[in-house]
Amino acid sequence: GNSVTQMEGPVTLSEEAFLTINCTYTATGYPSLFWYVQYPGEGLQLLLKATKADDKGSNKGFEATYRKETTSFHLEKGSVQVSDSAVYFCALQVISSGSARQLTFGSGTQLTVLP
Amino acid sequence: DAGVTQSPTHLIKTRGQQVTLRCSPISGHKSVSWYQQVLGQGPQFIFQYYEKEERGRGNFPDRFSARQFPNYSSELNVNALLLGDSALYLCASSLVWRGRTPHEQFFGPGTRLTVL
Repeated sequence: GNSVTQMEGPVTLSEEAFLTINCTYTATGYPSLFWYVQYPGEGLQLLLKATKADDKGSNKGFEATYRKETTSFHLEKGSVQVSDSAVYFCALQVISSGSARQLTFGSGTQLTVLP
Repeated sequence: DAGVTQSPTHLIKTRGQQVTLRCSPISGHKSVSWYQQVLGQGPQFIFQYYEKEERGRGNFPDRFSARQFPNYSSELNVNALLLGDSALYLCASSLVWRGRTPHEQFFGPGTRLTVL
């Protein structure tokens, strides 16, 4: 089956620190990979995505590269801000004929950035 | 443009009761998916609908059911509520369902269900 394993949190950083949140996956088929962010009391927002090997997704200073050889999609940001404090979810989607297009999520990583 | 809307925002029920949650997709989106997010965990897929037909179902008991209406809005029903059904229920919409290109799912704010 499909599964996503995320680095366990919580993660606490000082403002302007470097962020890495690890994500690895197993999939039956060729997945597309996503990072979603959830701010307190809100739904999920797509942060970035990559649809094929070696693609780099980027948005708002965050980056992640689809590594097929290591089945990984680690999230990075060079300098975090207090406003980045949220829960981050890694997810995959496998497209196959006749099947649902659901997202499979990791368990989430809580990030807190201190001023 | 309005995003995905869900109602109600919060709901408190007692064990054994039934609940109906509602979702309106982004205008023009024809596919709706439902997810359950238990506190401290990632969302789990429940159902996906496209053009009023069920296209997929996650590993949830038959107490969970859903439907999609001609205007593409959707309802999720849960019967015989258990304490373990307490969660944030998220609805997501996407433009289409078929084809091999992955289509971004846009999430609503969720309905927080508490079962006492």
